[in-house]
Amino acid sequence: GESVGLHLPTLSVQEGDNSIINCAYSNSASDYFIWYKQESGKGPQFIIDIRSNMDKRQGQRVTVLLNKTVKHLSLQIAATQPGDSAVYFCADSRYGNKLVFGAGTILRVKS
Amino acid sequence: KAGVTQTPRYLIKTRGQQVTLSCSPISGHRSVSWYQQTPGQGLQFLFEYFSETQRNKGNFPGRFSGRQFSNSRSEMNVSTLELGDSALYLCASSLVGQNTEAFFGQGTRLTVV
Repeated sequence: GESVGLHLPTLSVQEGDNSIINCAYSNSASDYFIWYKQESGKGPQFIIDIRSNMDKRQGQRVTVLLNKTVKHLSLQIAATQPGDSAVYFCADSRYGNKLVFGAGTILRVKS
Repeated sequence: KAGVTQTPRYLIKTRGQQVTLSCSPISGHRSVSWYQQTPGQGLQFLFEYFSETQRNKGNFPGRFSGRQFSNSRSEMNVSTLELGDSALYLCASSLVGQNTEAFFGQGTRLTVV
């Protein structure tokens, strides 16, 4: 069935290092992708988005890469900080504002 | 500007009861979507309302329903509660159209006992 899935459930990085979180999607018709960060007890928080006519988009300390050939996207966080510790979700949007979420990756930042 | 507001934050209900959750979107946002989040199933789309009409629906039983009012505020209702309905219910609002950034509220934690 349709799904957006993540490769790794948990990622541990040292403070200051770069983090890379991966996501695979199954529907080639997907044309809009979003990364969300969810901290304990809070709702998902928008980080960055990318449309299918782009390969790369940069924000503040974050970069999203989209590879449509292999249906894969990644979130890169530069100079990871303790405040980046959270669960990260990728989501794709195909119908209206319906989002299909991946399973999520837990990012742990070690000081 | 104020974010998405969901009430109540926490609820405890008994099996067989029904529950109504409320969501006030960001001012100017006309699309409201609801999601269920559980440890086992993750974040799953329930339905989306736009201009008081259900525009999209996920794969949930008919016990889950919703509505949207003229001021874009939305409610979702779950009837005949089951233990498996225990979850965090999240509401997200978006501007008109599709493929636009969705902003989430903090959710309502529903526990069914």
